[in-house]
Order: sequence, then C-alpha cells, then structure tokens
Amino acid sequence: KNQVEQSPQSLIILEGKNCTLQCNYTVSPFSNLRWYKQDTGRGPVSLTIMTFSENTKSNGRYTATLDADTKQSSLHITASQLSDSASYICVVRISNFGNEKLTFGTGTRLTIIP
Amino acid sequence: GAVVSQHPSWVICKSGTSVKIECRSLDFQATTMFWYRQFPKQSLMLMATSNEGSKATYEQGVEKDKFLINHASLTLSTLTVTSAHPEDSSFYICSARDETSGPSFSYEQYFGPGTRLTVT
Repeated sequence: KNQVEQSPQSLIILEGKNCTLQCNYTVSPFSNLRWYKQDTGRGPVSLTIMTFSENTKSNGRYTATLDADTKQSSLHITASQLSDSASYICVVRISNFGNEKLTFGTGTRLTIIP
Repeated sequence: GAVVSQHPSWVICKSGTSVKIECRSLDFQATTMFWYRQFPKQSLMLMATSNEGSKATYEQGVEKDKFLINHASLTLSTLTVTSAHPEDSSFYICSARDETSGPSFSYEQYFGPGTRLTVT
C-alpha cells in the first residue's frame, strides 16, 4: 500500500529557532516529492518540489532533502517566524503508464510561539 | 506562481439542498482539475479527477450522483453537492494541473484556497 508518513504530528518551538520535519514514504513508482504549507482554512501552497535525482533544494528559509534510497525526506526551517505556524504536508507523486496520483501525508502541525 | 480561485470561500446550507462550488484557474488553462475533501486534522482525500470535455473520474467510495462535477471550459470546474447532509460538511479544495510547465513528471498542481461547507 502506498503510504506517506510524517513526524512529528505536531511541534511547538520558540520564534527564531530551527526545526526539522520528517517524511517517510513507501510510494512506488516514485515521480517526485513536494512539501506544502497549509495555513488553517486555506489551500496548500507549494514550498519545494524534488525529483529522484535531487538531494536537496532550498526556498528561502526552507530546505528540503531527499534520500531516494531510504525513501525519506526532511524539511528544515531556519530562524522560524510566527507566520510559519501552519500544517506542513509531504506529498509524493506516483506516475505509472501516464496515470498520476498524489499521495498526501497527514501533515505536521507546527506552532511558533513568541 | 499560478493562481487558482474557488467560490464561495464558505457556505452554509440546509440539509437536503444542493450547493455548487466553482474552481477557476486564473492565469493558465487546465485540462485536468482535481477535487479534494479535507476533514479536521486530516489530510486531503482525492474525490475525483475532472477532465475538460469528458466525464469526471471518481475515486472509490465517492458517489458520482451525489457529487456532480462539470468541467465545461479549460479554466472552470464545478462541484455540486446534491441533497447535502450534515455529514457532507467539510473543507473542499480543488487543484488545477498546469501542463505547460515542462515534461509530464514536472506538472505542477496548484491548489485553490478551499471552500468551507457547513450543512445544518
């Protein structure tokens, strides 16, 4: 069964601190992996997209890593800000003979406190 | 990045009535759009794939006669929840796939802001 598991489920950190969110997947055949930020009551917004051959990708204070061998990804947030409070969702795309499907993780709820 | 809008952003309706939700791609044409449902503290669950000019493809367990999808143009898909019941209350999110962004493996899905449906 194709699954995407994220940890921790929730995380609370002080403003200015760094944090790392984890994503493990068993999805196959792998096409790409995306990290999304979803504010409460809003749709997801893409942060990074990584293909099989990419190990790391940055977008401002967000840095995603991918280990395709162990099927693990992480999202590192540096110098957190109050506006980073949101759910972060790991999404893996599978593509099989022209059919694609996105498999969503359950997300990590991040809360930044002043 | 590309923009996808949804209307309305929230709606309250009485049990037994129908509600239509619109999803528009504002600056690109989308042959394919997707409809998701999200319950509190849960992830997005794909309901159906909306194909311009043809019938939608529904995921297993989603009633096609209850959730009517129409993709009449390359920038608009609509989801109609017919005979709504309180258990249909949820957050409905659409996405539109930009197929002009490169090879197929890099197609980006852009999500709308969501529609909060409450059925009383």
